[in-house]
Formats: sequence, structure tokens, C-alpha cells
Amino acid sequence: GQNIDQPTEMTATEGAIVQINCTYQTSGFNGLFWYQQHAGEAPTFLSYNVLDGLEEKGRFSSFLSRSKGYSYLLLKELQMKDSASYLCAVRDLRDDKIIFGKGTRLHILP
Amino acid sequence: EAQVTQNPRYLITVTGKKLTVTCSQNMNHEYMSWYRQDPGLGLRQIYYSMNVEVTDKGDVPEGYKVSRKEKRNFPLILESPSPNQTSLYFCASSLSRQSGRNSPLHFGNGTRLTVT
Repeated sequence: GQNIDQPTEMTATEGAIVQINCTYQTSGFNGLFWYQQHAGEAPTFLSYNVLDGLEEKGRFSSFLSRSKGYSYLLLKELQMKDSASYLCAVRDLRDDKIIFGKGTRLHILP
Repeated sequence: EAQVTQNPRYLITVTGKKLTVTCSQNMNHEYMSWYRQDPGLGLRQIYYSMNVEVTDKGDVPEGYKVSRKEKRNFPLILESPSPNQTSLYFCASSLSRQSGRNSPLHFGNGTRLTVT
């Protein structure tokens, strides 16, 4: 089976940097995704990691360590519009299922 | 425009009255999936499909049915809805590992269902 853990809530200040961690357990790993979701809206894709290392995309970066079952999403130069939930999801190699963590609600303070 | 379209956006119904939520994608994706989202529980997978005529249970399939007769459509059927199925539902699609490429899920805009 799969299990994905991420913090429930985090708070950060506008202009700062925040790191959202995700740990996972899966019997067959085929990629990890990060999504952003504003309240009442559909999740939108942020990043994808399948190999170890850092993927950078503008203000957002995502890191993966497959041996540790660990990923993080790094958000730089935080803006008020970054207030949202951030979802970590893992794809299973065996059955192609994509399972989500419960999400981390990020609050940005001015 | 590449998209996943689900309808309706909002639905209020009564216990026991059969309903169908439609989902259609125009990206020729093999993989399609339904999730429900409830406060504190995150996105939970109901059913998924890796291709036409292939469907599998997710983590919370009880009370739901799906079909995949065509590649583009993946309707979610509630034969006898109950109040505990009140939730926000999302349909999503992606390429599957059969295509040899990995791709993120593309989500529909969601259906907010209330069962009274």
C-alpha cells in the first residue's frame, strides 16, 4: 500500500521562504507530484520528480530523495497569492494509482 | 484547449435518487480517475481506469460505480446516494505508464454534491 505524510498547516511571512516536507511509503515508486489548490478550486500542477535531486521552476523548487522516501517543496519570495493548500502525490509503479497526501495549508502573513 | 470537463458543477439531491456525474477529456489520456475531497481527509481515490474497459477500485469505492466504454469519458454513478456521499468530487486524467511517458494529472473543475 501507500502512505503519504505532510504537515497539516504552516505559516510564513510575505517575501520569505518556506519548505513543505512530504514523506511517503510505497511498494513501487513511479514519480512524485506537487500540486497547489486554492479553496474550492481544482488542484493545479506545480512540479514532478522521478529522479533524486532538485527541480527548479521559477519561485518554486522540488526535491526528491527516493532512498529516504522524502520530498520537499520550496517556495521563495512568498506572495499573498501563495496562500493555498499544497498537495504531495505519489504514483505507484505496479498499478499506476496516484495517491495524495492530505495536503498542507499554507498561510501567508503580510 | 486541452481540458477535463465534468458536469454538473453543483448538485443537490435527495437520498436514494440515482445520479451520474459526467467526465470527459480531450487529451487522449489513457488514465482517468475520480477523487472525493472532504475537510481534513484530503483527496481520496474512488475509482480509476487505465484504459477502455479497464477499471479498478481506489481507496473509497463503496457506493459508487464507474464505466469506461470510450477513452474520453469516465462517468461516476451513484446508484443510491446517501448523505455521507456529500462531498467535492474531482475527475482527473493523465497519460499512463503504458504510454511510456509519465505525466501529471489534469483535473476537472469539480462537482460539489449535496445529498439530503
